[in-house]
Amino acid sequence: DTEVTQTPKHLVMGMTNKKSLKCEQHMGHRAMYWYKQKAKKPPELMFVYSYEKLSINESVPSRFSPECPNSSLLNLHLHALQPEDSALYLCASSQDGTPFSFSEQYFGPGTRLTVT
Amino acid sequence: GENVEQHPSTLSVQEGDSAVIKCTYSDSASNYFPWYKQELGKRPQLIIDIRSNVGEKKDQRIAVTLNKTAKHFSLHITETQPEDSAVYFCAASRNDMRFGAGTRLTVKP
Repeated sequence: DTEVTQTPKHLVMGMTNKKSLKCEQHMGHRAMYWYKQKAKKPPELMFVYSYEKLSINESVPSRFSPECPNSSLLNLHLHALQPEDSALYLCASSQDGTPFSFSEQYFGPGTRLTVT
Repeated sequence: GENVEQHPSTLSVQEGDSAVIKCTYSDSASNYFPWYKQELGKRPQLIIDIRSNVGEKKDQRIAVTLNKTAKHFSLHITETQPEDSAVYFCAASRNDMRFGAGTRLTVKP
């Protein structure tokens, strides 16, 4: 299995809702990443997990809460989001547990989130 | 932190021509430079990468060059095909990953 999968593909939520995004990989990769991508913009790094521990948090608001339950799964819990949080949320993984250490990042297809 | 600038923002070429996209970076300690291709509505996919100890790398029609002194690197695509049409992102990495703003490449048949 050489894919990163993400669910759901699309999500519409109100500002008072709580929802979660899910990411899964079965390639034995030890680093996993969350990115946010607005339309016509590059991906922006949000969080990095290395060996299931949070190693980088790019000053993301607390309404985004990441979780890594095991080496194959990465979740992003969403609560009290704002309309400007609407974007494509991409998950990625890389083989080496040291983030960004020259190993290719494999991206999932993303979850397109709309906050109303 | 790292700042990556990418040019041009749009590029239109005729099928069979070459395309060149250029990026500059600010952090001289950056040591890994990947290029990603993102087709409309799809995920970014790595097309080529280069490490700081190498000056040039080639993979069939795609090549990347790196000038560490000038802190710039370039993507070269030869014999372009319509399926090369996409947005291309450069990135520079040391302890994190910063992407350039992207180049929308259109290859006209």
